[in-house]
Amino acid sequence: DAGITQSPRHKVTETGTPVTLRCHQTENHRYMYWYRQDPGHGLRLIHYSYGVKDTDKGEVSDGYSVSRSKTEDFLLTLESATSSQTSVYFCATRDGQGFEKLFFGSGTQLSVL
Amino acid sequence: GESVGLHLPTLSVQEGDNSIINCAYSNSASDYFIWYKQESGKGPQFIIDIRSNMDKRQGQRVTVLLNKTVKHLSLQIAATQPGDSAVYFCAETPSGAQKLVFGQGTRLTINP
Repeated sequence: DAGITQSPRHKVTETGTPVTLRCHQTENHRYMYWYRQDPGHGLRLIHYSYGVKDTDKGEVSDGYSVSRSKTEDFLLTLESATSSQTSVYFCATRDGQGFEKLFFGSGTQLSVL
Repeated sequence: GESVGLHLPTLSVQEGDNSIINCAYSNSASDYFIWYKQESGKGPQFIIDIRSNMDKRQGQRVTVLLNKTVKHLSLQIAATQPGDSAVYFCAETPSGAQKLVFGQGTRLTINP
């Protein structure tokens, strides 16, 4: 998995609570991505980063924020979790080459009750 | 708007047969297409890609076909094996874009 670690791997939380998911990479890749995966929707891009402190929104960014204070870490925060944010979250990284070099982490299963 | 979709959500094939997974896309600006394989409990993994200046590309036991006229992409897996059981996603990106758009995915099941 190209040195990508997602934490936690599983989390159960209550509606209205803040949640932060972490993606850590050891490959010094420039680009990092957060996707969510839901049945019937495939993978949808939430936010991505093209460098330290450089981020941009994806197609489903509402309710999510991200931060990248150093190359190796990309944090995804749900400020106030809702049941609609129950999903599997995947982090991905690449080094600036094409998307054939996009590597995914193993995912975080988040359940919002 | 942009969309990439798959014709069938599930596909069952006999072990040893060839599998064909289809994908339609709507963004005419897309010029790079990728197939990913996702096994249970894991993140997607790159299988094969193709650029819009090609209509066919072959890998090991896999072939991707691109028909730009009808905006259709397919993945052919030869001599399907039990290890091919997974969900397969197509993805596309326009030239210069920094993000991929994924299709819904097709679950491939291999019957013994």
